[in-house]
Amino acid sequence: LAKTTQPISMDSYEGQEVNITCSHNNIATNDYITWYQQFPSQGPRFIIQGYKTKVTNEVASLFIPADRKSSTLSLPRVSLSDTAVYYCLVGDVYNFNKFYFGSGTKLNVKP
Amino acid sequence: ETGVTQSPTHLIKTRGQQVTLRCSSQSGHNTVSWYQQALGQGPQFIFQYYREEENGRGNFPPRFSGLQFPNYSSELNVNALELDDSALYLCASSLLGQENYGYTFGSGTRLTVV
Repeated sequence: LAKTTQPISMDSYEGQEVNITCSHNNIATNDYITWYQQFPSQGPRFIIQGYKTKVTNEVASLFIPADRKSSTLSLPRVSLSDTAVYYCLVGDVYNFNKFYFGSGTKLNVKP
Repeated sequence: ETGVTQSPTHLIKTRGQQVTLRCSSQSGHNTVSWYQQALGQGPQFIFQYYREEENGRGNFPPRFSGLQFPNYSSELNVNALELDDSALYLCASSLLGQENYGYTFGSGTRLTVV
């Protein structure tokens, strides 16, 4: 399984754009990159998933460079409710993958 | 559609006892995975079930076992509980072939071993 490295924590203010970068140097050809959000005492919630280039949905964007050794989750105009832990996962989603979560990035959004 | 539901939400057990945690998968999903999340850490994969058989296991001892039923609900059983088993246990379901839409997690069962 490809391991991931993320910053332990990040601070931001309401209304700002937040970019969280994840390093995954050992990513395999069949691996996808998936991001989850987790609030205290709740299960992780799927945010976005991609394989290469850029993916955008209603809540976030995911930027993946050509070498795929890193990825960046972009949250536009964060609010206080975006305060959570964000996990970057890498794995083959079509092969009974067991995701490795790592320790995640604690995002603290301030007023 | 219903999400993933887990029961009970909280549980206190004594060291050495056995515990069974339950999970109802999201409607239409046919795989279920179990994770252990210690305080301040990311979830750790325990095992995954598909078609009522274990299909993939993380680094957990045999005293962690599970079942998946024909209706895709699932149980996690832990024997001979140890203090370090205290954690949030998460169940996640998905539809085989549709994992690109992500796994749906329940809110977990908080197990405290004393």
